[in-house]
Amino acid sequence: DADVTQTPRNRITKTGKRIMLECSQTKGHDRMYWYRQDPGLGLRLIYYSFDVKDINKGEISDGYSVSRQAQAKFSLSLESAIPNQTALYFCATRGQGRNQPQHFGDGTRLSIL
Amino acid sequence: ILNVEQSPQSLHVQEGDSTNFTCSFPSSNFYALHWYRWETAKSPEALFVMTLNGDEKKKGRISATLNTKEGYSYLYIKGSQPEDSATYLCAPYNQGGKLIFGQGTELSVKP
Repeated sequence: DADVTQTPRNRITKTGKRIMLECSQTKGHDRMYWYRQDPGLGLRLIYYSFDVKDINKGEISDGYSVSRQAQAKFSLSLESAIPNQTALYFCATRGQGRNQPQHFGDGTRLSIL
Repeated sequence: ILNVEQSPQSLHVQEGDSTNFTCSFPSSNFYALHWYRWETAKSPEALFVMTLNGDEKKKGRISATLNTKEGYSYLYIKGSQPEDSATYLCAPYNQGGKLIFGQGTELSVKP
């Protein structure tokens, strides 16, 4: 089983719909992150969380919200999806300490028509 | 927001060629530098996490060096193989607890 699991893996939906992407991890890490990837733009940080009660905005948080329901779960919501939110979304986790790498989920490919 | 530059953007080499890429980043408030390997249709995987000026790390044919005073890191691949084809991402880590990713270097190795 994957250490970082994202659901769904693919989603096609219409403009204006509310969408939730879910991420769960079995690594026991405190830190969790949501990124989006667009061609030519690399990975951009949407939101991140260091603990259940901690939520922080990243570079591109407008149009998104998150919920850290438990240490192992971090969900990303698009309240009213728009076509320019079509992208590949990654969840990642990281342990404490400067030597710790990030561990990524397999990604969710989201298309908004 | 850190300004992270990776060069070249893409690289096409023949099997057996050795190659290197550059990552440059602001040298102030440095905390760590990450390198990731990202194959098509997969998720990024960590290669190295480097923290000290002069650090040199190696994993098989891949190695990396770090200069925190001038703000750059090099990634080297010796004797490239087709399975090395991927996008290589660098990401400095600041004390705010978040990585800022460069746009990556896309490597294609032809047999």
